[in-house]
Amino acid sequence: KNEVEQSPQNLTAQEGEFITINCSYSVGISALHWLQQHPGGGIVSLFMLSSGKKKHGRLIATINIQEKHSSLHITASHPRDSAVYICAVMNYGGSQGNLIFGKGTKLSVKP
Amino acid sequence: NAGVMQNPRHLVRRRGQEARLRCSPMKGHSHVYWYRQLPEEGLKFMVYLQKENIIDESGMPKERFSAEFPKEGPSILRIQQVVRGDSAAYFCASSPLGQKYEQYFGPGTRLTVT
Repeated sequence: KNEVEQSPQNLTAQEGEFITINCSYSVGISALHWLQQHPGGGIVSLFMLSSGKKKHGRLIATINIQEKHSSLHITASHPRDSAVYICAVMNYGGSQGNLIFGKGTKLSVKP
Repeated sequence: NAGVMQNPRHLVRRRGQEARLRCSPMKGHSHVYWYRQLPEEGLKFMVYLQKENIIDESGMPKERFSAEFPKEGPSILRIQQVVRGDSAAYFCASSPLGQKYEQYFGPGTRLTVT
């Protein structure tokens, strides 16, 4: 079993829909990252969380440390949001670079 | 402030050749991380370096792979005697001293071994 599990693996939505991507992890963590990888492959860091909730534009990320679960929400989705969204955790006690990654959720937003 | 830069963006090598991948961190960043993304697989940590120092290389294959981050110049990931299984996207990230959890990713180098 992977230490970081994402669901769903693939997601197709219509423009304007509210989207939720989930991430569950099985290790103690010091931080959790949400990353976005566009076709063509570049990676952008969206959020880094250690507790609570963060919002940036139409994106919201939440984390529940007790339940070892995080969600990424996209409000009013747009075709340009189409990308792979990756959850990554920093293992508590591990070196700060040693991120453990989920396999990603491939999002496609149709116009 | 330029972002993390990696070059080359695409690299083709024949089996047995050497591959050198370069990463220039963001200005003022002293920590560099290398990650590998194999086809159809998730990203995996390889190595974490500070200037002139390897902090954690627990994700590096035991043979043929090495990394350095010299006092001057970019960080280098070196793969000797490449094999087809080394074909992957290699990403570098950097973070500033004291900002433990923030990482900024480069665009990646796509290595193809023929």
